[in-house]
Amino acid sequence: NAGVMQNPRHLVRRRGQEARLRCSPMKGHSHVYWYRQLPEEGLKFMVYLQKENIIDESGMPKERFSAEFPKEGPSILRIQQVVRGDSAAYFCAGGQGNSPLHFGNGTRLTVT
Amino acid sequence: KNEVEQSPQNLTAQEGEFITINCSYSVGISALHWLQQHPGGGIVSLFMLSSGKKKHGRLIATINIQEKHSSLHITASHPRDSAVYTCAVNQGAQKLVFGQGTRLTINP
Repeated sequence: NAGVMQNPRHLVRRRGQEARLRCSPMKGHSHVYWYRQLPEEGLKFMVYLQKENIIDESGMPKERFSAEFPKEGPSILRIQQVVRGDSAAYFCAGGQGNSPLHFGNGTRLTVT
Repeated sequence: KNEVEQSPQNLTAQEGEFITINCSYSVGISALHWLQQHPGGGIVSLFMLSSGKKKHGRLIATINIQEKHSSLHITASHPRDSAVYTCAVNQGAQKLVFGQGTRLTINP
């Protein structure tokens, strides 16, 4: 079991481009969370997804950000028209029921 | 006031010292997690607690549900324990609310 896989590990985008971050949870994980960690700050919840459903997106910025967790394939966090303030580490975690979460190694997004 | 408060925010100690990091929360929770993050690294879930005490190697985590307080202890600390330790609480099953983290530095 390879653990929760995130890719890419590092992503550089120019202002205005789109960023796509992928998260493949472990086999059996029925839900995925995305968290953001701004430089020198703690982790902040963004969105909670189950297969094909967004359960809680209260931490997502209202514009430019979207997330999906399709029936097949990885969960995708998509950021359109990136700005410098989007530069951060984005972590996903997978889980099932009340079992402990397993975190990925994160994607470090740099917007130039 | 944050829903999850950690103390101290920064802690520097000498190798071998006994370390305690505290976490207090103000909301009802179904579980509490202790997470470890090395500089530039990923996040490792150390413990998930809903009551009592858990031990893994040199790490011990305790929780007091009535007092809404948890502690993470490290015995015989080592420089490789240097990391940010974060407590996070589950409100229901839906999302984690994080403390601000404690940056631990163990000097040789």
